[in-house]
Amino acid sequence: SQQGEEDPQALSIQEGENATMNCSYKTSINNLQWYRQNSGRGLVHLILIRSNEREKHSGRLRVTLDTSKKSSSLLITASRAADTASYFCATDERTGGFKTIFGAGTRLFVKA
Amino acid sequence: SAVISQKPSRDICQRGTSLTIQCQVDSQVTMMFWYRQQPGQSLTLIATANQGSEATYESGFVIDKFPISRPNLTFSTLTVSNMSPEDSSIYLCSGTDRREAFFGQGTRLTVV
Repeated sequence: SQQGEEDPQALSIQEGENATMNCSYKTSINNLQWYRQNSGRGLVHLILIRSNEREKHSGRLRVTLDTSKKSSSLLITASRAADTASYFCATDERTGGFKTIFGAGTRLFVKA
Repeated sequence: SAVISQKPSRDICQRGTSLTIQCQVDSQVTMMFWYRQQPGQSLTLIATANQGSEATYESGFVIDKFPISRPNLTFSTLTVSNMSPEDSSIYLCSGTDRREAFFGQGTRLTVV
C-alpha cells in the first residue's frame, strides 16, 4: 500500500533554479521523511521532520509539514545538475504498527 | 545511524527457481521491513519481518510467494519463490529504530 501522493510526478528545471516537490498523505503520522534515489541505486535519507515540527532546514533543503492538511513540501534551492534524481516522501503510520510507507515520487531533472 | 548490508546486490535467475536475499544490520533495530521497487516505480512494502514469528504481509503479498525469516534483531531473509519475469524488481530491506528508516542498497533481480 502507498500512502503518499506526490506532485509533480516529474519536474525539469534549469541549474540554479529552485525545485519544489509536494507530498500528501492519508493517516496520522509520527514523522515524515524525504529520500533521494539516483537511477537504479539505493535510497539516500535527506531529512526527517517530526509531526510536531512545521519546518526544517538542511543545507539547500527546506522541508515543511502541515499536519492539518496532511501535506509536506521539499524545496531544493539553487539546484545543481547533481540533484537530478527521484525524490520520495515516506511516512511512518501511527496505526497498525510502525510502517514506513512511500509516496509515488517526483523525478527531478536539472539541466546544466 | 544503522548500516544495512544486503546481498546479493544483483542476480539473474531462471523462471521457476527461488532466490533468497539476506539483510544484515550493524546494530539492533526495532523493526525490519522488505520492499519491492518495480522499474520506474516507488517502493511498495511487502511485509514487516517480525523477530521469531511469522512476518506480517501487506495486501497483495503472501507468505508462500515471499517467505521471510528474522531469527534475531539484526538479520532477516526474503525468499522470492517460483519466480516469473514479473518478479523482476529491486528488493530492499529496511530497518528502523522508530525514528528513522535505514535502507540497504537493494538487490536487483532479473528473471529470465
